[in-house]
Amino acid sequence: AQSVTQLDSHVSVSEGTPVLLRCNYSSSYSPSLFWYVQHPNKGLQLLLKYTSAATLVKGINGFEAEFKKSETSFHLTKPSAHMSDAAEYFCVVSDLWGQNFVFGPGTRLSVLP
Amino acid sequence: DAGVTQSPTHLIKTRGQQVTLRCSPKSGHDTVSWYQQALGQGPQFIFQYYEEEERQRGNFPDRFSGHQFPNYSSELNVNALLLGDSALYLCASSGLGSQETQYFGPGTRLLVL
Repeated sequence: AQSVTQLDSHVSVSEGTPVLLRCNYSSSYSPSLFWYVQHPNKGLQLLLKYTSAATLVKGINGFEAEFKKSETSFHLTKPSAHMSDAAEYFCVVSDLWGQNFVFGPGTRLSVLP
Repeated sequence: DAGVTQSPTHLIKTRGQQVTLRCSPKSGHDTVSWYQQALGQGPQFIFQYYEEEERQRGNFPDRFSGHQFPNYSSELNVNALLLGDSALYLCASSGLGSQETQYFGPGTRLLVL
């Protein structure tokens, strides 16, 4: 069985400051991990994915995430927040075949001017 | 290249009615998955279709059924609607092979009165 924990339901940062969204996972096998972003009234957009290659994954819009097996974590970071980053972020775990997609509960990111 | 499309965008039904939602996958994709996203929560996996058959199913009652057509498009049917079925229904498509990413459509927002 797989599960995802997103440690913060809401994160608030000032524009231009770093962003850290935390994700821990549980999986019976080597997982694939994803971060998706959902802007209000929009569908889910893939930010980045980890699939057993490099542990530091770079995504779109300046986001990156690091897979740490020993900590079962896949935290999402960005050096400098922009107002347009305000959205809901979901961490997702799946098996290596892209099945058993399990979403975390989401973290709402607010960016203050 | 069109992405995943869904119709309708919004729908209002009353308890006990039946509803059909439609999804066209991204070009080149042959696998379609459906998710239910209740307000303020992460998406929950309903089922996945591949080669016109249900390949995998989440923890949803038999009132939720689906179909995949030879052109890979898909329908989600919900019978005997309950108030609790009010949610955003998301369709995602992916291709064959390992480590495949799911690409999401904008969703259909269903309101059951």
